[in-house]
Amino acid sequence: AQTVTQSQPEMSVQEAETVTLSCTYDTSESNYYLFWYKQPPSRQMILVIRQEAYKQQNATENRFSVNFQKAAKSFSLKISDSQLGDTAMYFCAFTGSNYKLTFGKGTLLTVNP
Amino acid sequence: NAGVTQTPKFRVLKTGQSMTLLCAQDMNHEYMYWYRQDPGMGLRLIHYSVGEGTTAKGEVPDGYNVSRLKKQNFLLGLESAAPSQTSVYFCASCDLPGLAGDNEQFFGPGTRLTVL
Repeated sequence: AQTVTQSQPEMSVQEAETVTLSCTYDTSESNYYLFWYKQPPSRQMILVIRQEAYKQQNATENRFSVNFQKAAKSFSLKISDSQLGDTAMYFCAFTGSNYKLTFGKGTLLTVNP
Repeated sequence: NAGVTQTPKFRVLKTGQSMTLLCAQDMNHEYMYWYRQDPGMGLRLIHYSVGEGTTAKGEVPDGYNVSRLKKQNFLLGLESAAPSQTSVYFCASCDLPGLAGDNEQFFGPGTRLTVL
């Protein structure tokens, strides 16, 4: 069974600074997808960024980028130029050949003015 | 497109009562899922469906039943609600893996259920 671990229950960052959220996973599969979801106070789950395991290039979406280390089974999220609207719970998630998402327990990020 | 919708948004039940949560999607997705979210636990999969007429158990299926009679709808039932089922419930859907190329799941807005 796959597992996803987020070791930082809470983090805070000053507006305009950069922050990195950590995620590690465990799987025996060779091809899979990794995701970061954002959940603001509205409760809606919003996809931030995705990474396919067979792609060596790290995914980027505007201010969001990942550091995908397949051998180390690590998938961290970097948020550059943090904004107040980035305050949210962030979940790392994994899906493999069974097409079921396995989530980490989340990291609560607070962006301070 | 409305995407994924959930009915109701909030509900309060007494122990032993029953209810059904409705999830609807208008994206013609094959796969649908029900998750529960509890503080400090992330989202955990309750049941899922890989197509009309099919259902399968997820990580925490006990106390719940599901049905997928129509492709666009996925129902989650609680036959005899317990306080341990107090949670936020999310529905999600996904296109056939490989077609969209990324296995992205689209989520509904959630239902907050309280069992007294």
